[in-house]
Amino acid sequence: TQLLEQSPQFLSIQEGENLTVYCNSSSVFSSLQWYRQEPGEGPVLLVTVVTGGEVKKLKRLTFQFGDARKDSSLHITAAQPGDTGLYLCAGNQAGTALIFGKGTTLSVSS
Amino acid sequence: NAGVTQTPKFRVLKTGQSMTLLCAQDMNHEYMYWYRQDPGMGLRLIHYSVGEGTTAKGEVPDGYNVSRLKKQNFLLGLESAAPSQTSVYFCASRATSSHEQFFGPGTRLTVL
Repeated sequence: TQLLEQSPQFLSIQEGENLTVYCNSSSVFSSLQWYRQEPGEGPVLLVTVVTGGEVKKLKRLTFQFGDARKDSSLHITAAQPGDTGLYLCAGNQAGTALIFGKGTTLSVSS
Repeated sequence: NAGVTQTPKFRVLKTGQSMTLLCAQDMNHEYMYWYRQDPGMGLRLIHYSVGEGTTAKGEVPDGYNVSRLKKQNFLLGLESAAPSQTSVYFCASRATSSHEQFFGPGTRLTVL
């Protein structure tokens, strides 16, 4: 059972466009993380959101945690080729391990 | 600090062969994890450890064994490799006080 559904699975856009990636679940998470993975490397943490309704910004990236702590979104403003990569959301249900979504592959062309 | 390192980076095995993947971390983390990553499947947890001498099964443990004899090392073993185990394997570690996982660079394994 896939507890975290990410959409879209693939996204190909032009430099300068905006985009939003979604991470949805029917389960409640105590926290949710977003990771970015570049080809040939391991995932790297971008942000952790903990409080329902929380919004965090990291330069052109805006992360939001849903009020009910069941979903999250990642919005990128004015995408650049350097944003290309695999974006993974991961939820923590107060256990010892994270539950990962299948990821969104983003390609930004100049 | 090297962070999380994995050896080897690449390996090709024949069906039935065995091998061990080594993960090492120098951050004094208690928790360590082994994942496999397949196209369109995301990261799936194989086994994990909450401290030296402990191991536990994850989502897809069959065909794999692990050991955590030293706090800084987490070994993943394949006793009899199968083509279905062709994948990229990632090791990760984290501190007790945080859920941020630090990942190694991965091992690309092909089983023919």
